[in-house]
Amino acid sequence: DAGVIQSPRHEVTEMGQEVTLRCKPISGHNSLFWYRQTMMRGLELLIYFNNNVPIDDSGMPEDRFSAKMPNASFSTLKIQPSEPRDSAVYFCASSLGIGVSTDTQYFGPGTRLTVL
Amino acid sequence: EDKVVQSPLSLVVHEGDTVTLNCSYEVTNFRSLLWYKQEKKAPTFLFMLTSSGIEKKSGRLSSILDKKELFSILNITATQTGDSAVYLCAGGGGNYQLIWGAGTKLIIKP
Repeated sequence: DAGVIQSPRHEVTEMGQEVTLRCKPISGHNSLFWYRQTMMRGLELLIYFNNNVPIDDSGMPEDRFSAKMPNASFSTLKIQPSEPRDSAVYFCASSLGIGVSTDTQYFGPGTRLTVL
Repeated sequence: EDKVVQSPLSLVVHEGDTVTLNCSYEVTNFRSLLWYKQEKKAPTFLFMLTSSGIEKKSGRLSSILDKKELFSILNITATQTGDSAVYLCAGGGGNYQLIWGAGTKLIIKP
């Protein structure tokens, strides 16, 4: 299996621009997680999908962030408009099953976002 | 509030040394304790522990959980420069959420 695939790997954009991050989970996995990682705050869960349905988006920082999962093999995280404080590494992870904490989460390579 | 605390925050040792990384947790309805290794990319899964006192082992790495004292340790014996990484610990409770520690940055000097 190719593992979790994310694109782009690096994104540099200017403040105010729209940014779209993409994720393809491991085939057969039912749960998908978007995380953000910064030096200051570590790993933070942004949103969790199960069977393509958003279950918990309480970690989404504000209305500028949105996420979709139109099918089992694709998800997007969009930031519009982007701000410098959004600069971070964004990880997508997937797990088999219903996403309980005993399901191992497998991480993608991440997208390093820099907003100038 | 649920929390996971790792110690030390950073550690520098020489190749061949043995290291012990610590993770203490307070997680509501605790079910699992996970260890991940993060080099300059994605966290990669090492171990999941759900039962006290049962050691999990993979090569030179091993880990054990103490559910009474609410902590776990990760041991690495005969360290190599390739073990240099940030080691993350996460606690899982009754739902899907993992509570992540800040990580221990391990540097192995040749």
